[in-house]
Amino acid sequence: DAKTTQPPSMDCAEGRAANLPCNHSTISGNEYVYWYRQIHSQGPQYIIHGLKNNETNEMASLIITEDRKSSTLILPHATLRDTAVYYCIVRSPLSSNYKLTFGKGTLLTVNP
Amino acid sequence: DSGVTQTPKHLITATGQRVTLRCSPRSGDLSVYWYQQSLDQGLQFLIQYYNGEERAKGNILERFSAQQFPDLHSELNLSSLELGDSALYFCASSVNPVGTEAFFGQGTRLTVV
Repeated sequence: DAKTTQPPSMDCAEGRAANLPCNHSTISGNEYVYWYRQIHSQGPQYIIHGLKNNETNEMASLIITEDRKSSTLILPHATLRDTAVYYCIVRSPLSSNYKLTFGKGTLLTVNP
Repeated sequence: DSGVTQTPKHLITATGQRVTLRCSPRSGDLSVYWYQQSLDQGLQFLIQYYNGEERAKGNILERFSAQQFPDLHSELNLSSLELGDSALYFCASSVNPVGTEAFFGQGTRLTVV
């Protein structure tokens, strides 16, 4: 599975869009980009995933660059409850490596 | 609610003791993952089962063991407990063995005193 790089922390004002970047320059063609978040001491929560097209669901939007080497998770109207650690994971559904490995992620702090 | 149920929510026990953590996956999910998260540490993958068989092993200590039963629930057994085993233990489940969309329970907080 490709390695990802995320900033350790970011701040965002409540009500504004939060844009969380992820670099995955070694991504291969069959690898998807997944985003999870973990609100303090709670179980991680699946947010969204995508292969190459932009994706949107009720929680967030995922923008993947055309070369697929980076992506951005967008929370359109951040609230205080969105304060969490956000994890970007790249992996293939065809992978024989069954481990689902979390890196350090980005701590997003939404400020009032 | 993720649909993954972990019991107990909290557990306090003494050093040297043995405990069992239980996980019921979402209905229809065949794969179960176990993770450990110590204070201020990241999520450490321990072990994964798929339909009763062990599929992947991470940094799981020899004092720890797990199994998945025919009804697909899983148990994580921790023995000869040490103070350093105090942590949050999460279980996750997914439909397939690759676990690309995994759903996590709320965890069991283990405190070893």
